[in-house]
Amino acid sequence: RKEVEQDPGPFNVPEGATVAFNCTYSNSASQSFFWYRQDCRKEPKLLMSVYSSGNEDGRFTAQLNRASQYISLLIRDSKLSDSATYLCVVSPKTPLGSSASKIIFGSGTRLSIRP
Amino acid sequence: DAGVIQSPRHEVTEMGQEVTLRCKPISGHNSLFWYRQTMMRGLELLIYFNNNVPIDDSGMPEDRFSAKMPNASFSTLKIQPSEPRDSAVYFCASSLVLAGVYQETQYFGPGTRLLVL
Repeated sequence: RKEVEQDPGPFNVPEGATVAFNCTYSNSASQSFFWYRQDCRKEPKLLMSVYSSGNEDGRFTAQLNRASQYISLLIRDSKLSDSATYLCVVSPKTPLGSSASKIIFGSGTRLSIRP
Repeated sequence: DAGVIQSPRHEVTEMGQEVTLRCKPISGHNSLFWYRQTMMRGLELLIYFNNNVPIDDSGMPEDRFSAKMPNASFSTLKIQPSEPRDSAVYFCASSLVLAGVYQETQYFGPGTRLLVL
């Protein structure tokens, strides 16, 4: 089983729709969670961190469910510019005193917004 | 602000040749990561450094790959000899990792597109 799993998609939705996708992780000791966005032929960029209480940034909402070991990303009122691949990222717990940690990327979910 | 800088941006070479990819992390960051991305395998972590020291190189495919970080502002990833299956986009990323702080953001460079013929 992969450490981080995502539905590869593609999700093809009309502009203005709400879309959501999940990401599951296998390491219950995981500590930090993120969503990155990657546009075609570009580098990944941080979209938002995911906090235990859930967090919102404009049209984007991220949730964490530790019991079921998944994180989710909800995009409301989708725009054409939201078309991209969304990468789920999980960081295992860093040992106390250690100054490095290893971040694991999911393979990404492709989202395509149509006019 | 200067982000992570990678060079070259594109590289086309013939099988058997040596390839050297370069990365300059963001000033002040203490961790540097090399990734490889392909359609088939997605984004794979090859190696990462903390304070210029290699911490985990378990993702390095084989002995043909080597990485160095001689100082805090420069790292190289070398492939010798290169093979067609090494064709991919190679990303370098940097972050600031503090002891006891679990959340850190990685900042990626624009990548090097490598094609080995």
